[in-house]
Amino acid sequence: DIQMTQSPSTLSASVGDRVTITCRASQSISNWLAWYQQKPGKAPKLLIYDASSLQSGVPSRFSGSGSGTEFTLTISSLQPDDFATYYCQQYNSYSRTFGQGTKVEIK
Amino acid sequence: QLQLQESGPGLVKPSETLSLTCTVSGVSISSNSHYWAWIRQPPGKGLEWIGSIYYTGSTYYNPALKSRVTISVDPSRNQFSLRLSSVTAADTAVYYCASHPFKAINWFDPWGQGTLVTVSS
Repeated sequence: DIQMTQSPSTLSASVGDRVTITCRASQSISNWLAWYQQKPGKAPKLLIYDASSLQSGVPSRFSGSGSGTEFTLTISSLQPDDFATYYCQQYNSYSRTFGQGTKVEIK
Repeated sequence: QLQLQESGPGLVKPSETLSLTCTVSGVSISSNSHYWAWIRQPPGKGLEWIGSIYYTGSTYYNPALKSRVTISVDPSRNQFSLRLSSVTAADTAVYYCASHPFKAINWFDPWGQGTLVTVSS
């Protein structure tokens, strides 16, 4: 199975900050990567697919980049609604594995 | 607008079979543009793909769970279902159904709201 490792596990930030979350794959996954946002008690919501394509309706302050084994999710200016847990997911291989999550907390 | 809703028992006894149904609305489950999936999340932990199905009945299972999982589709009811046998406390989780578009291996969108299943005697 392809392992997905996110860093950091927890991130403390303030409204207006630029935030970057990293996701590393244990082997190359081309650009077959998605990012999700999950709030407590809610289902994950798709933000980014194919590493850098913004899902319809997602604010433009979210962006994704990377290919191969290293990927980033960037929030250009953190808003109060963005405090949540973020997951990456690879879909290069059969097992469609997720990262362990990055919790973005209020500083 | 495509929406999914999980239903089923919230409590299952150890060694028994967990059964959940996902009702799809807004699109035919027989659409050739969608695959249908189950994903779970143990309390306080990360996400695990369980398996997926196409309307033709073709199934794709997580190898770690394959021996215990059956996913089926009922086009007449626009539903698909999950059965997980021989459950233990480790199967306690929020179970989500979701769609993934166009191909068998892809991102998941949208998701149902999730349903908590507790395995306990």
